Amino acid sequence: DQQVKQNSPSLSVQEGRISILNCDYTNSMFDYFLWYKKYPAEGPTFLISISSIKDKNEDGRFTVFLNKSAKHLSLHIVPSQPGDSAVYFCAASVLNSGGSNYKLTFGKGTLLTVNP
Amino acid sequence: GAVVSQHPSWVICKSGTSVKIECRSLDFQATTMFWYRQFPKQSLMLMATSNEGSKATYEQGVEKDKFLINHASLTLSTLTVTSAHPEDSSFYICSARDRGLRLQETQYFGPGTRLLVL
Repeated sequence: DQQVKQNSPSLSVQEGRISILNCDYTNSMFDYFLWYKKYPAEGPTFLISISSIKDKNEDGRFTVFLNKSAKHLSLHIVPSQPGDSAVYFCAASVLNSGGSNYKLTFGKGTLLTVNP
Repeated sequence: GAVVSQHPSWVICKSGTSVKIECRSLDFQATTMFWYRQFPKQSLMLMATSNEGSKATYEQGVEKDKFLINHASLTLSTLTVTSAHPEDSSFYICSARDRGLRLQETQYFGPGTRLLVL
C-alpha cells in the first residue's frame, strides 16, 4: 500500500515555463513533507520542505504548496531551466513509534525534462 | 555543508560473499542514519534506521541477519550484506540527520552504492 503517490512518472516542459509536480498522500499522520531531486546513480538532494501547519513555502524558484484537506502537495518550479531536468521525489515523514526518529516515506518519483 | 559520503560507489561480488558499505557524515554529527535501497524506476525503500550506539531498527520484511548495520560513531554507519545473492543487487543509499538541526526531519543523502551480485 503506497502511502505517498506521484501519479505522473514523467513531465516535459519548455524552458522558462512553470513546472508543476504533484504528490498525494494517504496517511493523515504525516506532519512534514519534503521534495528531493535526484540524478541517475546519485543520492537525492534536498530541495524544499513544508510543515503540516503551513500551506506554502517558497525558496527562490521553488515553491511547495500543501492542501491538507485534499492530502495533496505540489512543487512549482518557475522559471524552469534545463538544469532542473531530474527525477523529483516527494517524501513525507511521521514520528515513528519510538518517538525519536522521523523516517521518510517516498513516492516513486517524477522525471522532469526541461527542453531548451 | 551537510555532506554525506558512501564507499564504495560500485561493488561487484560473487554470490555467497559479504559486502560492507560505509556511510559517513563529513561535516556534521549524525545521531541517526537511515539505509535505503532502490530498484530501477521504484521509490527509495527504507530498510533500517540506525542510531549511534544502539541496535538498528529494521523495517518489516528486512532480514536483520542478512543486512547487518553498525553505527559505531556519530559520523559512521556501515551496512554489511551477508551471503549476498543476485536478488540483493540494487542501489543502496544512506542518509544522515544532522543532530544540530532544529528541523530534524531533513535528511542528507549519500551518493549511493551500486551492488551487483553475480
